[in-house]
Amino acid sequence: QSALTQPPSASGSPGQSVTISCTGTSSDVGDYNYVSWYQQYPGKAPKLIMFEVSKRPSGVPDRFSGSKSGNTASLTVSGLQAEDEADYFCSSYAGNDNVVFGTGTKVTVL
Amino acid sequence: EVQLVESGGGLEQPGRSLRLSCAASGFTFDDYAMHWVRQAPGKGLEWVSGISWNSVYIGYGDSVRGRFTISRDNAKSSLYLQINSLRTEDMALYYCVKDKRQSIVGATFDFWGQGTLVTVSA
Repeated sequence: QSALTQPPSASGSPGQSVTISCTGTSSDVGDYNYVSWYQQYPGKAPKLIMFEVSKRPSGVPDRFSGSKSGNTASLTVSGLQAEDEADYFCSSYAGNDNVVFGTGTKVTVL
Repeated sequence: EVQLVESGGGLEQPGRSLRLSCAASGFTFDDYAMHWVRQAPGKGLEWVSGISWNSVYIGYGDSVRGRFTISRDNAKSSLYLQINSLRTEDMALYYCVKDKRQSIVGATFDFWGQGTLVTVSA
């Protein structure tokens, strides 16, 4: 299975919004509403921030939102804050007990 | 508090074997699927393998299928990964990861360990 495609980088000023795309195929993102997003700070383990496309785990600010259209899922961070500067990875269930991650996006707060 | 503590990593030569372990606590281990996810230095995340709560359903990433074997011991709240025929490209930090569900379907990774580093070098 091939990795899901994410832009290598994204940036925005504090208070602005940034949207990260995650493009797969009709066999993964397009076929299942099992897209998750993870936030990772340098040297730390990833943290789940979105699951089943648009559901936020308890404790994740509502500045984070998720959506999906066709084979592309998206994560939007509204009201960007300095603490949002991190790497973000998407993942999708790909059928037949397989899972695929995205290539990762580094978000910079200008 | 959920805790996942990996062990078993280290320096090993290409072609050799390693067995990673993960000790879980703070939740009912046999109620959830578990996974191994790895991250090479400076690179992205790669799903390695997953196992359902009852070990009936198991999946592997393409790059490790046939060389890696995942298993679990619910009585010991432990997850394992047997790595055979090590390759230099297997060098990575290996995370033990808890799923939100009993099965691999959906694959939502809600808790992560701190990882154990596997280094492959002659």
